[in-house]
Amino acid sequence: SQQGEEDPQALSIQEGENATMNCSYKTSINNLQWYRQNSGRGLVHLILIRSNEREKHSGRLRVTLDTSKKSSSLLITASRAADTASYFCATRGGGSNYKLTFGKGTLLTVNP
Amino acid sequence: DTEVTQTPKHLVMGMTNKKSLKCEQHMGHRAMYWYKQKAKKPPELMFVYSYEKLSINESVPSRFSPECPNSSLLNLHLHALQPEDSALYLCASSQDPGSSQPQHFGDGTRLSIL
Repeated sequence: SQQGEEDPQALSIQEGENATMNCSYKTSINNLQWYRQNSGRGLVHLILIRSNEREKHSGRLRVTLDTSKKSSSLLITASRAADTASYFCATRGGGSNYKLTFGKGTLLTVNP
Repeated sequence: DTEVTQTPKHLVMGMTNKKSLKCEQHMGHRAMYWYKQKAKKPPELMFVYSYEKLSINESVPSRFSPECPNSSLLNLHLHALQPEDSALYLCASSQDPGSSQPQHFGDGTRLSIL
């Protein structure tokens, strides 16, 4: 069964605006990762946040993690048309459960 | 350009054909993965190889047969596939399965079964 559930399923914004995507999960995790997938391409790793971290930044990306609510958010600031893609959260379980389980994804469209 | 190379990019095959998908990485990663992705869906894990040994098989039908000839190569042998097997097949690698390092994905093979 899916571990991560993103919302919204689709998001359409104008260039320059910020985009926020949310992810919820059900069981304990070792870390949570965000990936981007452009149409017809593979997934590209964006950022990883460990279970003992609350916030992480990378360029225009900001990720938060709330383990008490089992949720994470990805904020993309000052969006660009090139940010148009599907965004997936993926959770890695603890201990020997090293599988990555992907959420359903958010399709982000940034209009020029 | 990705550091994980998959060939072919596209493959059309009949239900009685035998074909293979190939994946190669030269990052020294010791874990390699096969995923299946249907349109507008997330990737679904099929197999995990750890140090060239199959460590996870997610109850994948036997018409899919993985092989890891060496630490840089991963194959997926296909035989007697069904139309519902049409999908994007993604290969990924990571430093090792037990680490918290991210996975690196290839651009996939888009497979169509006639």
